[in-house]
Amino acid sequence: DAGVTQSPTHLIKTRGQQVTLRCSPKSGHDTVSWYQQALGQGPQFIFQYYEEEERQRGNFPDRFSGHQFPNYSSELNVNALLLGDSALYLCASSPGRGVYEQYFGPGTRLTVT
Amino acid sequence: AQTVTQSQPEMSVQEAETVTLSCTYDTSESNYYLFWYKQPPSRQMILVIRQEAYKQQNATENRFSVNFQKAAKSFSLKISDSQLGDTAMYFCAFMSQWSAGNKLTFGGGTRVLVKP
Repeated sequence: DAGVTQSPTHLIKTRGQQVTLRCSPKSGHDTVSWYQQALGQGPQFIFQYYEEEERQRGNFPDRFSGHQFPNYSSELNVNALLLGDSALYLCASSPGRGVYEQYFGPGTRLTVT
Repeated sequence: AQTVTQSQPEMSVQEAETVTLSCTYDTSESNYYLFWYKQPPSRQMILVIRQEAYKQQNATENRFSVNFQKAAKSFSLKISDSQLGDTAMYFCAFMSQWSAGNKLTFGGGTRVLVKP
């Protein structure tokens, strides 16, 4: 049973560019959450997708957007990259309503130069 | 908004000994969930233990146990018989029972180093 997977593992982008990160949830999970973890800090909640809609959003600008597909996989898009967007981006999945444990993927390390 | 505070940036412990990590949180809610996650150098966030606020009994998972003090809004993690593989960042996290989603609010983390 595959756990949560994310791609790519690492990537380097230039300031002002756009990036797309991808996440496949654990089998049987229909809810996907995205977190940003700056170096040396705890993860910060970006948003959560359920039934292909954004259900909850953290304090992040509109440059951060997402999508969930019918197979429950998800994408995180960041436009107009800033140096401060450099971080580890974590995806977590859970089996939907009534179950509160989240399972995390290995993350994507984004470096903006 | 809820906040989670971990006041110990780093702790070290000898192998086989016990270490306790502190966590305090702030919320006006009465029903919620608390978690401890472990993040080793491999970066994968792993759930260690969870506690439901409505349960008075402290959760335990093998060598890991918590001391949940609801009135004090305190949620400490005890690692017994520490092993080298316990070396990692540990994050305390809060989840509201009443929000539309189940987002986690994390503390800043405590780095644990287990020495042989």
